[in-house]
Amino acid sequence: DAKTTQPTSMDCAEGRAANLPCNHSTISGNEYVYWYRQIHSQGPQYIIHGLKNNETNEMASLIITEDRKSSTLILPHATLRDTAVYYCIVRAPLMMDSSYKLIFGSGTRLLVRP
Amino acid sequence: NAGVTQTPKFRVLKTGQSMTLLCAQDMNHEYMYWYRQDPGMGLRLIHYSVGEGTTAKGEVPDGYNVSRLKKQNFLLGLESAAPSQTSVYFCASRLDSNNEQFFGPGTRLTVL
Repeated sequence: DAKTTQPTSMDCAEGRAANLPCNHSTISGNEYVYWYRQIHSQGPQYIIHGLKNNETNEMASLIITEDRKSSTLILPHATLRDTAVYYCIVRAPLMMDSSYKLIFGSGTRLLVRP
Repeated sequence: NAGVTQTPKFRVLKTGQSMTLLCAQDMNHEYMYWYRQDPGMGLRLIHYSVGEGTTAKGEVPDGYNVSRLKKQNFLLGLESAAPSQTSVYFCASRLDSNNEQFFGPGTRLTVL
């Protein structure tokens, strides 16, 4: 699986958009980009994933650059409850890795300020 | 539908003692995983299972054993606990055709 690089920490004001970057310059053509978050003392929570196109769901948007070497997770209107560690994970598809296992890095600690 | 549950929530062991952590899921998921998380670090995969009766090693399998006798349960065993195994242990499960992993609430284990 490709290595990812994320800033150690970030902060944003409540109600504003939080943009969390992730670099994955060694990603291969069939690897997906996943985002999970972990609120203090809880198990990780799935947010979103994508391959090439931008994706949006009720939690967030995922913007993947055209060369797929980086991506940005966007929380459009951050709330205090979004304070968490956010993990960007690049994972091979089923054909390459039948375990579906996730390899976690250290993530970005996001602090949403009142 | 309880999702993924873990038993116990907390445990303190002495070095050399053994114990078993239980993970249960009621979503009929094929895949189940055990991770550990040390302070300030991301999760590391210990063992996983791609179906009932199957298990495989992850990144950090040494000192642990697992069993998947029933589809809904995935057991993690420590035969002889060591202080280096002090950690928070998370279980997760996944449908065979779904890309999302569901995580349990974690078990906080301290080995003295």
